Amino acid sequence: DIQMTQSPSSLSASVGDRVAITCRASQGISNYLAWFQQKPGQAPKRLIYTASSLQSGVPSRFSGSGSGTDFTLTISSLQPEDFATYYCQQYKSYPLTFGPGTKVDIK
Amino acid sequence: QVQLVESGGGVVQPGRSLRLSCAASGFTFQNYGMHWVRHAPGKGLEWVALIWYDGTNKYYADSVKGRFSISRDNSENKVYLQMNGLRAEDTAVYYCARDGGGTIPTSPHYWGQGTLVTVSS
Repeated sequence: DIQMTQSPSSLSASVGDRVAITCRASQGISNYLAWFQQKPGQAPKRLIYTASSLQSGVPSRFSGSGSGTDFTLTISSLQPEDFATYYCQQYKSYPLTFGPGTKVDIK
Repeated sequence: QVQLVESGGGVVQPGRSLRLSCAASGFTFQNYGMHWVRHAPGKGLEWVALIWYDGTNKYYADSVKGRFSISRDNSENKVYLQMNGLRAEDTAVYYCARDGGGTIPTSPHYWGQGTLVTVSS
């Protein structure tokens, strides 16, 4: 199975900050990676697919990059509605696997 | 618009069974793979199972293989998760999700609001 790790596990940031979350796969997954945002009590929302493609309707301050084993989700200017937990997920092979999550909260 | 509504959750004793259902609308159901994903209290997301658009291929997380079974009824626009031999660690909110790809699945895209399964004596 492909293991996914994320760093940091949590971070505190202010509105307007640039934030970067990294995700690493235990083996190469090409660009078969998605990023999700989840707020408490809500279903997850897919932000990015194929590592860098922005889901329709998602603000352009979100961007994804990377290929192979190392990936990054960047929020260019953090907004109040962005405080949430973010997960990466690989879909290169089964079973699909999520990273452990990165919680972004208010400094 | 895409709508997914899960049902069937509840409190169940360890070792017993439960069947979750997900009713889909707003898209051509028979064209998409369907996932189940769960979120245990205080933990991260865990992908559980996937069934291809036509039901020919099914895949499972190691933690549920041999105990859970995914199925679908394309005439009723429904997907199911049969859960047998339930354990305390299966306690979670279970989400039904439509795949983001076409006939070749990718990752979950549209999600339901989830149904809570609690395994406790």
